[in-house]
Amino acid sequence: GQNIDQPTEMTATEGAIVQINCTYQTSGFNGLFWYQQHAGEAPTFLSYNVLDGLEEKGRFSSFLSRSKGYSYLLLKELQMKDSASYLCAVRPLYTGFQKLVFGTGTRLLVSP
Amino acid sequence: DTGVSQNPRHKITKRGQNVTFRCDPISEHNRLYWYRQTLGQGPEFLTYFQNEAQLEKSRLLSDRFSAERPKGSFSTLEIQRTEQGDSAMYLCASSWGQGDEQFFGPGTRLTVL
Repeated sequence: GQNIDQPTEMTATEGAIVQINCTYQTSGFNGLFWYQQHAGEAPTFLSYNVLDGLEEKGRFSSFLSRSKGYSYLLLKELQMKDSASYLCAVRPLYTGFQKLVFGTGTRLLVSP
Repeated sequence: DTGVSQNPRHKITKRGQNVTFRCDPISEHNRLYWYRQTLGQGPEFLTYFQNEAQLEKSRLLSDRFSAERPKGSFSTLEIQRTEQGDSAMYLCASSWGQGDEQFFGPGTRLTVL
């Protein structure tokens, strides 16, 4: 079976730092993805982790611990435009292809 | 290249009618995926093509659903005898074989009355 958990909602203030956690239990593991999705729009790719550690890309960083089945997305210097849903997705190894299994998403609200 | 495109963007239909959606992936992307997303949920995988071959189908894809990618370029998703439970956003994504990122289209929002 596959299970991906992330908080439903989070709030933060403009300029602050926020960490969105994701835990997963899947049949094998072949990579974890973070996507951003604004209301009514398509998901857009943010980051990809397949090995343990931190990947940094501008204001966004993503961390992975495969032994703990845990990842987080770190957003720094929050801006109002960062208000969106953040989707954690895992690529199970057993499929052999690139199917993604998504969590329900974390809705982030950034306030002034 | 303008990214993944989907048509129509919105579709309202009556229960029992058939609908067909189209997806045009990014040029030269050989992998194409269909997902379905309902309000407050993450996308759920429906099916996957590598070139023209449909290699994986979710159990969510009942007999009323069929997808094709006849020439390995654009794809169509048809839903026959639509039900109210089919109301959702249908997302298409594509990727290049060796790449890891899936690029999503804007989706087709289906409303079944």
